[in-house]
Amino acid sequence: ETGVTQSPTHLIKTRGQQVTLRCSSQSGHNTVSWYQQALGQGPQFIFQYYREEENGRGNFPPRFSGLQFPNYSSELNVNALELDDSALYLCASSLDRFFGELFFGEGSRLTVL
Amino acid sequence: KNEVEQSPQNLTAQEGEFITINCSYSVGISALHWLQQHPGGGIVSLFMLSSGKKKHGRLIATINIQEKHSSLHITASHPRDSAVYICAVSKTSGSRLTFGEGTQLTVNP
Repeated sequence: ETGVTQSPTHLIKTRGQQVTLRCSSQSGHNTVSWYQQALGQGPQFIFQYYREEENGRGNFPPRFSGLQFPNYSSELNVNALELDDSALYLCASSLDRFFGELFFGEGSRLTVL
Repeated sequence: KNEVEQSPQNLTAQEGEFITINCSYSVGISALHWLQQHPGGGIVSLFMLSSGKKKHGRLIATINIQEKHSSLHITASHPRDSAVYICAVSKTSGSRLTFGEGTQLTVNP
């Protein structure tokens, strides 16, 4: 039990649609990162939020966007879904943006048809 | 070449065996993480290291900063240890993680 919850756990969308994935972090965790994990591969960094501001971004297009809220929850939004967006999306929260133990959620598995 | 390399990619062991998974990295880091991922997908943090050695139950993690190498050891392995073990590093520039490809461990009874 990591104290980080993600929803939904599974969802299916069609190409061109939009999706919002949600993450609820532990209280006090002011940093949240989102990762995309394609089948059989290691996770890839999408972006990080620190105190509600984007604090770094990986090699993902602008149609991947996020929000972090004062209640330690966050969202990952993906517009104009493509087939290659099918993956497990993981969020991880920490107390410190530079050096802190990470707590991962169970992930949201997105399938794009 | 990936910034974080793990070996082996796949490992099959018999219950009770001593297991070692290796991780090499090529960038400056502030910390190295060993993570465990079960088939359902969720990731659990096992260790966060910046130097030396840490032990938790049957798990031991070591890091050699000069050689840019870390190892995860499992003593007296058990079938419930079967999972993907992932090495990830936090670069000196921030806490975002760069992941290795993972090691699929299967422990047979």
